[in-house]
Amino acid sequence: NAGVTQTPKFQVLKTGQSMTLQCAQDMNHNSMYWYRQDPGMGLRLIYYSASEGTTDKGEVPNGYNVSRLNKREFSLRLESAAPSQTSVYFCASSELQGRSPLHFGNGTRLTVT
Amino acid sequence: AQSVTQLDSQVPVFEEAPVELRCNYSSSVSVYLFWYVQYPNQGLQLLLKYLSGSTLVESINGFEAEFNKSQTSFHLRKPSVHISDTAEYFCAVSDGNTDKLIFGTGTRLQVFP
Repeated sequence: NAGVTQTPKFQVLKTGQSMTLQCAQDMNHNSMYWYRQDPGMGLRLIYYSASEGTTDKGEVPNGYNVSRLNKREFSLRLESAAPSQTSVYFCASSELQGRSPLHFGNGTRLTVT
Repeated sequence: AQSVTQLDSQVPVFEEAPVELRCNYSSSVSVYLFWYVQYPNQGLQLLLKYLSGSTLVESINGFEAEFNKSQTSFHLRKPSVHISDTAEYFCAVSDGNTDKLIFGTGTRLQVFP
């Protein structure tokens, strides 16, 4: 019963470095999402993939790219990290976009110095 | 665009007291409504949802929420809280037209003995 698995759990980057956050789900869900969580701001959608082969921008996509590698995996890439990207990142999946509940991973805590 | 308001950022309450966490959303023709709970250092978990039908929905651990269309609200209630209910609670609304899920900024429930 792994559900949604995110790696790594913690990461520290210097400004300008790049990294990829990995996410995989084993529930055969169609839709996958990347959110960031910042104090007092709730969760904000970065990118989502409604189905395999499609990706769309969310509320705060600038500075990020995504890849829906297959139905199971959805990665988030920071090409040139900035201190404003210090946050906790959550991957989630759902059977269908919109009305189906989201299943979340345990998050990646990223610090950019 | 759809928006979600959780007016209370923190709610302190004593154990066995009742609690209400408020959630209001901007008007929309059709919406799906969710409450999620986040325990420390974990991802969000679905607490309850309203998709259609009865306006009063319940969770397995004693929480309930009522969909009030005229007041565009989906407040979360529990008649008697436990220490273990200490967590952050997020209201989320999915616009039936766009299928975009929008989160509120969260309410931290702190239960004291």
